[in-house]
Amino acid sequence: EVQLIESGGGLVQSGGSLRLSCAASGFIFSDYSMNWVRQAPGKGLEWISYIRDGGGPIHYADSVKGRFSISRDNAKNLLYLQLSSLRAEDTAVYYCVRDHIFAFDLWGQGTMVTVSS
Amino acid sequence: QSALTQPAFVSGSPGQSITISCTGSSSDVGKYDFVSWFQQSPGNAPKLMIFEDNKRPSGISNRFSGSKSGNTASLTISGLQAEDEADYYCCSFAGDFSWVFGGGTKLTVL
Repeated sequence: EVQLIESGGGLVQSGGSLRLSCAASGFIFSDYSMNWVRQAPGKGLEWISYIRDGGGPIHYADSVKGRFSISRDNAKNLLYLQLSSLRAEDTAVYYCVRDHIFAFDLWGQGTMVTVSS
Repeated sequence: QSALTQPAFVSGSPGQSITISCTGSSSDVGKYDFVSWFQQSPGNAPKLMIFEDNKRPSGISNRFSGSKSGNTASLTISGLQAEDEADYYCCSFAGDFSWVFGGGTKLTVL
């Protein structure tokens, strides 16, 4: 089955760090660029980071630049997002998303990150 | 990047057609033919309904159609059904491998 499964979310204090993982299966992971998209409780969707199929280039939204770091391990079919210097406004469901010709065609179920102040 | 502008709420009766607008700028919607639309039901991940302005992924009903004129994209749902009730988001490629979403539209089927 073609799917993405995120893990690593949880409760963290303001200023803390967390690493999210996304396991891909059912497709050739190394053929696709990947993204992270988040959704704060009751709010809309926000694109936050992109990584090319081979690992570069990498891009971030201004809201997370310098604090978050995206990476991937194509040998293990894993996508990562390292979250640092977390703020209350980073509280959200974080989705791992596959990119196919500039469209987000496959989404994981999401993992919740809660930052307590 | 500023968020794309969508109406917060749209409603229609079963069988009717509704259109959701998505207004961006000449830097995103108006510049690239990469507007997508997503449907999100409560508690679920978004689902791709339209890509490249007007293309439907395999398995998506032809009741869903996309169009674009200048800096405004639109999603039309014809033959409205109760199961269409959900939140809808537009999204545009904005260059330099970045994307911008709309604020979302809550569709109510009366």
